[in-house]
Amino acid sequence: AQKITQTQPGMFVQEKEAVTLDCTYDTSDPSYGLFWYKQPSSGEMIFLIYQGSYDQQNATEGRYSLNFQKARKSANLVISASQLGDSAMYFCAMREGRSGYSTLTFGKGTMLLVSP
Amino acid sequence: DGGITQSPKYLFRKEGQNVTLSCEQNLNHDAMYWYRQDPGQGLRLIYYSQIVNDFQKGDIAEGYSVSREKKESFPLTVTSAQKNPTAFYLCASSTPFGEKLFFGSGTQLSVL
Repeated sequence: AQKITQTQPGMFVQEKEAVTLDCTYDTSDPSYGLFWYKQPSSGEMIFLIYQGSYDQQNATEGRYSLNFQKARKSANLVISASQLGDSAMYFCAMREGRSGYSTLTFGKGTMLLVSP
Repeated sequence: DGGITQSPKYLFRKEGQNVTLSCEQNLNHDAMYWYRQDPGQGLRLIYYSQIVNDFQKGDIAEGYSVSREKKESFPLTVTSAQKNPTAFYLCASSTPFGEKLFFGSGTQLSVL
């Protein structure tokens, strides 16, 4: 079974609108962390946001927020006020356990295209 | 500026040849990682190292080898045993109990 599932291969959004990228995860470990990374066409992976399994509040970083629904095992990324520069691949990832080192498992990604 | 440097950006391998991808970091991170990315796919873990002179296999280690002789360096060798090496390779590092990985800009490996 896949540990991270991203069901949207591609998403389109108009500039200045909000968009939600879906991510569901599967783990039996009570301690885990969820990450979102952005990969522009240059190839580099850019960290966007992190949510710990014990965090009470949803994480936010500027225009990015993580809609964390623990019972549903979902960790959707919300991008508000989309910009043309947001066009990229977006990956959801998970770290299981309390290990001090981040061995992440990645989903297959969602390609986001922002149109003017 | 601190960061992770991967070289070369593009690399070509002939049949039966071993090639080595370089990864250097000046972030003073203990842990380093190698991931492979195929088109339209997520990243898969090849090897990781938590301290110098120690490393562990990831999910797809067959056909690859690594060394960790210095804290700053974690080179990846793609051996001739790796029959499908064409992919984008990403190196990353992290601190103990770090909340995120820091990535290099990647190496695209292709077979001639």
